[in-house]
Formats: sequence, C-alpha cells, structure tokens
Amino acid sequence: QKEVEQNSGPLSVPEGAIASLNCTYSDRGSQSFFWYRQYSGKSPELIMSIYSNGDKEDGRFTAQLNKASQYVSLLIRDSQPSDSATYLCAANAGKSTFGDGTTLTVKP
Amino acid sequence: EPEVTQTPSHQVTQMGQEVILRCVPISNHLYFYWYRQILGQKVEFLVSFYNNEISEKSEIFDDQFSVERPDGSNFTLKIRSTKLEDSAMYFCASSQLRTRTDTQYFGPGTRLTVL
Repeated sequence: QKEVEQNSGPLSVPEGAIASLNCTYSDRGSQSFFWYRQYSGKSPELIMSIYSNGDKEDGRFTAQLNKASQYVSLLIRDSQPSDSATYLCAANAGKSTFGDGTTLTVKP
Repeated sequence: EPEVTQTPSHQVTQMGQEVILRCVPISNHLYFYWYRQILGQKVEFLVSFYNNEISEKSEIFDDQFSVERPDGSNFTLKIRSTKLEDSAMYFCASSQLRTRTDTQYFGPGTRLTVL
C-alpha cells in the first residue's frame, strides 16, 4: 500500500468548473498535510496547508481534511487554464511523504 | 520574500564522478531537507538535517550520499560516485521548526544528469 495515494489522473475540466483532487494517507502519525502545485521541470509550489479536521479556504482553493478517514482533498473553484499542472499531496510526520501527483488540465 | 536557493540549476557529470549540490536555506530556518524526483516519478525524501546532524534518512540515502553544513548559510548534498540512476531533480527544502505542522519551503532544484 502506498503511503500517500492520490486519485489517478489525468483530470480534465472546462474553464470555470470545479476541479476536485483527492488523497488518502496511511500513516496515522501524520499531522499536517500540504497541497503543492508542480509545473513540469519546476519545484513544488505550496498552495495550501491543513492541520485540523474540516475545511480551509484560501481564495479559489479549499482544502478538506478528515483524519478519521485519512483523507485529504483540494477543490479548485472557477478553474483557469493557468491552474493546469500536476498537484502533489504530501503528508508530514517530520519528513514529507508525497503522492504520485494528479495532472490537471483546464481547457479554455 | 525569503526563498531557498540552489546551485547549480543543471549539473552534467560522468558516471563515477563526485558531485556536490548546494543549497542556501531561508536564513532563520533550522531544519533542512533533500528530496529527489526522478523524471516522471514522485518526489522522494532523502534526508533531514538539524543541528549539524542527520535527523532522519531514507533507504535511498546510502553510503554514496552525504550532507554537510560547511558554514552558516550553505547546505550541501554530496554524491561520491554517481550512477546513471542518480539522474534526477534534487530539491532542497527548509523549515523553521521540525514540528509535524511546519511548512517546508522548496528551492528551485538542481537537475543532475549522469552520463
């Protein structure tokens, strides 16, 4: 079983739609969770961090965490073509463990 | 805004050669990390470093790898005898704390190509 598992992509949504990205983790010792955006050949860029159960909103992005279900998600509202990238979920228990990433394409 | 920097951006080397990848973490950060990402694969943890010691390392971080903080600002990753499979992007990261909730900030990466 992978330590951090993300929904397989690629994911394609039309411009203006909501993109939903999901992630599960196996280490119950993980206490912080991060969503990064990564463009090809570039380093991960932090989008959201979440530590407590529930929702956390930042602009068009909403992260959701359910520790009982070991589940993290990221919603992107009003998706833009510039949101097209690979989204990485990471769980942190001292070191960050990354998922494989989900590639999102937003079509104009 | 402070950021993590890495040099060089691209390093090409021959198999069996030693390489040193350099990182300058954010100045008030105390914890430093190296990750690597082989092309098309996920980001993998290599090693964490605090107070001039390795805190944790993965199974990837074998005897060929070493890390050092030679002065107050640089943090280096040395690969003693490079192999073809070491070709990857290497990312340095730093965090202010090593609590389980602290954010790690990534540098732009060094692309290592072993021929």
